Amino acid sequence: KQEVTQIPAALSVPEGENLVLNCSFTDSAIYNLQWFRQDPGKGLTSLLLIQSSQREQTSGRLNASLDKSSGRSTLYIAASQPGDSATYLCAVRGTGANNLFFGTGTRLTVIP
Amino acid sequence: SQTIHQWPATLVQPVGSPLSLECTVEGTSNPNLYWYRQAAGRGLQLLFYSVGIGQISSEVPQNLSASRPQDRQFILSSKKLLLSDSGFYLCAWSRVNTIYFGEGSWLTVV
Repeated sequence: KQEVTQIPAALSVPEGENLVLNCSFTDSAIYNLQWFRQDPGKGLTSLLLIQSSQREQTSGRLNASLDKSSGRSTLYIAASQPGDSATYLCAVRGTGANNLFFGTGTRLTVIP
Repeated sequence: SQTIHQWPATLVQPVGSPLSLECTVEGTSNPNLYWYRQAAGRGLQLLFYSVGIGQISSEVPQNLSASRPQDRQFILSSKKLLLSDSGFYLCAWSRVNTIYFGEGSWLTVV
């Protein structure tokens, strides 16, 4: 069964810093990988989706990379802002309707 | 555009009482529908998913059940809640290759 791990579990950085969040998965036979943001007590908002054939996706200050062979993805956040404070989750999808596996998330705090 | 509604947003229920959480999706047809639970400090746990009306698959045995009476309606139920049922419940829908979540429902069983 696919296992998804996110390290670190929590991260605090001063405003303006660039940072990297890590996601690793055990089974490289994935269909795609998705990064989400979750604000406290709220649902999940999709940030970036990387298909298995892609190496990276960019949206504004966010850049997600995928190395399927090594089972790793990173989410790079440039010039962090206090509004970036949230929990970031990655999820990998295999084939089938129920084959979506989530990591436990990284709780990011950006200090003004 | 597609939207997903989930309610109630918050509820406090005594042990042994029934539960009904509802989720509806608008702007799409024949979506795959999901119920997840997120316990404090833990990841998302898939509870149920459905690929069509009346088709429910359970991932984790428990005292919860799910139903899909209409194409875009997904209901999570329990006849008798346990303390361990407390958590944050998320409904989601997907088509093709991405998934969209509702705002979640906080359940506290006391």
